Amino acid sequence: AQSVTQPDIHITVSEGASLELRCNYSYGATPYLFWYVQSPGQGLQLLLKYFSGDTLVQGIKGFEAEFKRSQSSFNLRKPSVHWSDAAEYFCAVGAGNTDKLIFGTGTRLQVFP
Amino acid sequence: DAGVIQSPRHEVTEMGQEVTLRCKPISGHDYLFWYRQTMMRGLELLIYFNNNVPIDDSGMPEDRFSAKMPNASFSTLKIQPSEPRDSAVYFCASSLNLQGNTEAFFGQGTRLTVV
Repeated sequence: AQSVTQPDIHITVSEGASLELRCNYSYGATPYLFWYVQSPGQGLQLLLKYFSGDTLVQGIKGFEAEFKRSQSSFNLRKPSVHWSDAAEYFCAVGAGNTDKLIFGTGTRLQVFP
Repeated sequence: DAGVIQSPRHEVTEMGQEVTLRCKPISGHDYLFWYRQTMMRGLELLIYFNNNVPIDDSGMPEDRFSAKMPNASFSTLKIQPSEPRDSAVYFCASSLNLQGNTEAFFGQGTRLTVV
């Protein structure tokens, strides 16, 4: 069965600093991979997704993620963080032959001015 | 489209009472998902529907929980009787499908507090 691990529960960065949020997945075939963001009191919003093709995926709000099959990873990056990026970030994996999304436990990002 | 609409946004109820959460998916979406979010467990998939039919309810915690989708534009999640440990944020999401270039769109959630 597929699974997702987000090793960092909480990350704090200064505004303007670079950011990398880690995500590792477990799945036998090529997965569908997603990053979602949840602002306080809100639902989840899709940042970006990977299905196939170019392993570097661009998303909204200046985020990108790179699929590395050899490392079973799909880390989220942003070169310069803004205070409005403070939120909780979820990595998710979908299997090709089922319709479920499995979410990681999330990483809470705090941004200091 | 207004997106996925959930009601109520907040619900406070006493232990033992019946609670019904409601969801209106995005028109045209074939899949509807119910998730529960807690600090301890994170985001858990409870059940999902395809074309109004429940496909996988393995995440439903126990018989006190039930979900229905009587038509393509409405779904309910019912807890009867409710218990304090059911306190959580419940999200509904819908999608065209997951085997292609699509995504799940989430509602704003219902924050349930059982006292």
